[in-house]
Amino acid sequence: EVQLVESGGGLVQPGGSLRLSCEAAGLTFSNHWMTWIRQAPGKGLEWVSNIKRDGSEKYYGDSVKGRFTISRDNAQNSLYLQMNSLRAEDTAVYYCARLIYNNGYHWDYWGQGTLVTVSS
Amino acid sequence: NFMLTQPHSVSESPGETVTISCTRSSGDIANNYVQWYRQRPGSSPTTVIYEDTQRPSGVPDRFSGSIDRSSNSASLTISGLKTEDEADYYCQSYADNNWMFGGGTKLTVL
Repeated sequence: EVQLVESGGGLVQPGGSLRLSCEAAGLTFSNHWMTWIRQAPGKGLEWVSNIKRDGSEKYYGDSVKGRFTISRDNAQNSLYLQMNSLRAEDTAVYYCARLIYNNGYHWDYWGQGTLVTVSS
Repeated sequence: NFMLTQPHSVSESPGETVTISCTRSSGDIANNYVQWYRQRPGSSPTTVIYEDTQRPSGVPDRFSGSIDRSSNSASLTISGLKTEDEADYYCQSYADNNWMFGGGTKLTVL
């Protein structure tokens, strides 16, 4: 059974940094693109970032470009999101998800999410 | 970048059929697949439709997806509504490495 478990969320002051982790089990992690998606309290889903299987390609949403960095360690079956220059509007539950390809792409497994609160 | 617009909420009675629309603001809806995700309160999203019309295993055939190029929109139809279908539903698509969600539709089954 595929399991994705996020960690690293918490309370951080505006302008601060935080690093999220997502540990994967039950899948060949290195075979899959991975994604971070977030959801502000009471709001909808927002794509944050994708990373290719070997980490050679990374893509970001406009709202986080230049501040967030996605990375992975395939040996540790882990995905990361380094978040710098955090703002109040970054407050959200952050999900990691596996991106799979059939004839197109979609996310088939999601973690339970980790809450990031940016506040003074 | 394009936007995906959904109705904020819909409601229908058990046993009835409901359709949720998702309109793409620019670019052809048929150029990139549309997915639909269901999110129950307090839970992570799960896929109910992928690649416009495909159902993952375990999703009942009461759920169906379609696209309409004339209105540049996608639709999720749920027939034989059950109270367990009550949730938020999000459409999603992508283009040029930009991955977009609709704003979500709250389905109430009353």
